[in-house]
Amino acid sequence: DVKVTQSSRYLVKRTGEKVFLECVQDMDHENMFWYRQDPGLGLRLIYFSYDVKMKEKGDIPEGYSVSREKKERFSLILESASTNQTSMYLCASSSVIEAFFGQGTRLTVV
Amino acid sequence: AQSVAQPEDQVNVAEGNPLTVKCTYSVSGNPYLFWYVQYPNRGLQFLLKYITGDNLVKGSYGFEAEFNKSQTSFHLKKPSALVSDSALYFCAVSHPGYSSASKIIFGSGTRLSIRP
Repeated sequence: DVKVTQSSRYLVKRTGEKVFLECVQDMDHENMFWYRQDPGLGLRLIYFSYDVKMKEKGDIPEGYSVSREKKERFSLILESASTNQTSMYLCASSSVIEAFFGQGTRLTVV
Repeated sequence: AQSVAQPEDQVNVAEGNPLTVKCTYSVSGNPYLFWYVQYPNRGLQFLLKYITGDNLVKGSYGFEAEFNKSQTSFHLKKPSALVSDSALYFCAVSHPGYSSASKIIFGSGTRLSIRP
């Protein structure tokens, strides 16, 4: 059974903290993605990576960075968390024809 | 730039009736098109995809979708709705060959509500 695992289901962080969201996939996919999901806005792409150490900005990269040191792991970093980053964060990995999603991390910044 | 539009925030259908969830896309070249479903407190699950070939694609749970290139649409359909189909549905598009990755862009989602 294919798996994309996000390290936390729920997180509560304080404004200004540095936050790490971790995602691991076991399918040997080259492509990995970070999205945030907000009501009425759907899934918006933050960053994606197409190979180790390779990344591209998505539609809303401001306030975020990413790290892909190993093929199976793609980390999303909030350099200085703000309340407007309170959201559901979804990680995905994909072959050319199908994407697989983690369960999501609901992040609350207080 | 790629984009996906789901013009309806919510679709309400009576159980047993046919349902349609609309999706239109904008991408140059030949897109790959997808539908995903999200049940409450769950991640996204793959329903079906169009890559090439027959314009009518069949997927999981009795769903199907029709690719219409001239109208740039990929509407999701089911002949007879079930209450258990109530969920949030997302249309997505990718454009293979973009950079070295297939960037996947999602629509805003349509909440499907099936009443008994």
